[in-house]
Amino acid sequence: KNEVEQSPQNLTAQEGEFITINCSYSVGISALHWLQQHPGGGIVSLFMLSSGKKKHGRLIATINIQEKHSSLHITASHPRDSAVYICAGPLYNTDKLIFGTGTRLQVFP
Amino acid sequence: KAGVTQTPRYLIKTRGQQVTLSCSPISGHRSVSWYQQTPGQGLQFLFEYFSETQRNKGNFPGRFSGRQFSNSRSEMNVSTLELGDSALYLCASSLVGASTEAFFGQGTRLTVV
Repeated sequence: KNEVEQSPQNLTAQEGEFITINCSYSVGISALHWLQQHPGGGIVSLFMLSSGKKKHGRLIATINIQEKHSSLHITASHPRDSAVYICAGPLYNTDKLIFGTGTRLQVFP
Repeated sequence: KAGVTQTPRYLIKTRGQQVTLSCSPISGHRSVSWYQQTPGQGLQFLFEYFSETQRNKGNFPGRFSGRQFSNSRSEMNVSTLELGDSALYLCASSLVGASTEAFFGQGTRLTVV
């Protein structure tokens, strides 16, 4: 069992739909990163959060440290949102990031 | 400001050779981490350097090594390359470590033939 689990693994949506990607972890993590990876490999950091909720444009990330769960929401999805979304967190007292397996999102026009 | 720069972007090497990859972090960032990404294993942590010291290490054989220079630039080296080392190698820089926002480079795609 992975220490960081994401669901779903694959997600298909129509443009304009509301998207939710979930991340659950079984180890102690001091903060959680949400990353976006487009074809070609480049990774962009979307959020880093250790409590509550953050919003950037159409993206919203929430985290519940006690429940060891985080969600990434995309409102009014667009084809350019098509990418792999990865959650990751550093183990407590280390700077070693452990990663979820990623969620592949495809948004069709 | 300039982002994280990795060189080279693509590399083809033969089994048994060695390779050195370079990562220039964002100015002011003191932590540089390296990751390997393969289709089968996903993203895996290799090591993290902070102020020229290796602070954290993942579960990779000793053929994988790295270093960080006084200007925070980092290199990683893989010796005696194996076919299974074919992967995308990513580095990320952050101010002080993984509890701060990480900025990733575009990666170096290594193919071992």
